[in-house]
Amino acid sequence: DVKVTQSSRYLVKRTGEKVFLECVQDMDHENMFWYRQDPGLGLRLIYFSYDVKMKEKGDIPEGYSVSREKKERFSLILESASTNQTSMYLCASRGGGGTGELFFGEGSRLTVL
Amino acid sequence: GIQVEQSPPDLILQEGANSTLRCNFSDSVNNLQWFHQNPWGQLINLFYIPSGTKQNGRLSATTVATERYSLLYISSSQTTDSGVYFCAVESIYYGNNRLAFGKGNQVVVIP
Repeated sequence: DVKVTQSSRYLVKRTGEKVFLECVQDMDHENMFWYRQDPGLGLRLIYFSYDVKMKEKGDIPEGYSVSREKKERFSLILESASTNQTSMYLCASRGGGGTGELFFGEGSRLTVL
Repeated sequence: GIQVEQSPPDLILQEGANSTLRCNFSDSVNNLQWFHQNPWGQLINLFYIPSGTKQNGRLSATTVATERYSLLYISSSQTTDSGVYFCAVESIYYGNNRLAFGKGNQVVVIP
C-alpha cells in the first residue's frame, strides 16, 4: 500500500513565524502535491513537484514556497505565517506519466495565532 | 479551468438505505477519482475511474465520460459511511497534475 506521511497532525504557530510542513512518500512517486482545504472553498492546489528540485505553482502559491531535495520528500514552507494561513494542509503523491491515482496523507491542521 | 459540481451537497440517510452521489464536470477528462474524507480529515481513495464501472463491496462507481458525469453508489449504508465524498478530475486541456476537486457531498448516516 502507498504510504504518504505528514510530519505533524496539529500545529499552533504565531504570526510571523516560519513554518515547515513535511511530507514523505514511500512509493517512489515522481509527483507530489500540497493542497489546502478550507470550509466552503474545498481543496485548492498550492504547489506541486514533478521531479527532484522541480516545482510548479498551483492555484494559490502566494505566501508559500516548497522544497524537494529528495524524491520521497516534499516540504511546504510558510516564510512568515499569517492568520489567513490557518487551514488544513494535505499532501499527496502519485506516479509518473501525469495520470494515475492520487494518494493523500493524513493532513496537517495548522492554526496561526 | 474545468468546473466540477457535486450533488446533492448534503444527504442524511437512515442506516441500510441506498444513495447516489453525482459529479458533473465541464470538460473532457483523463482522470477521475472519488475520495471519502474521514472524520479525522484524511482523504481515502475509493475509485480511480476515468471511464466505465467499478465495484468495491457496497460501493460502486460509474463514469460516462462522453456525457461528463460520474456517479457513486452507496448501498446498504452504514454509519461508517458518514463523511464527505469528493470527486476530483483532471482535464485533458489544462495540463497534467492539475486536478480540480468538487465541493463535496456531506453524507450523514443515522442508526
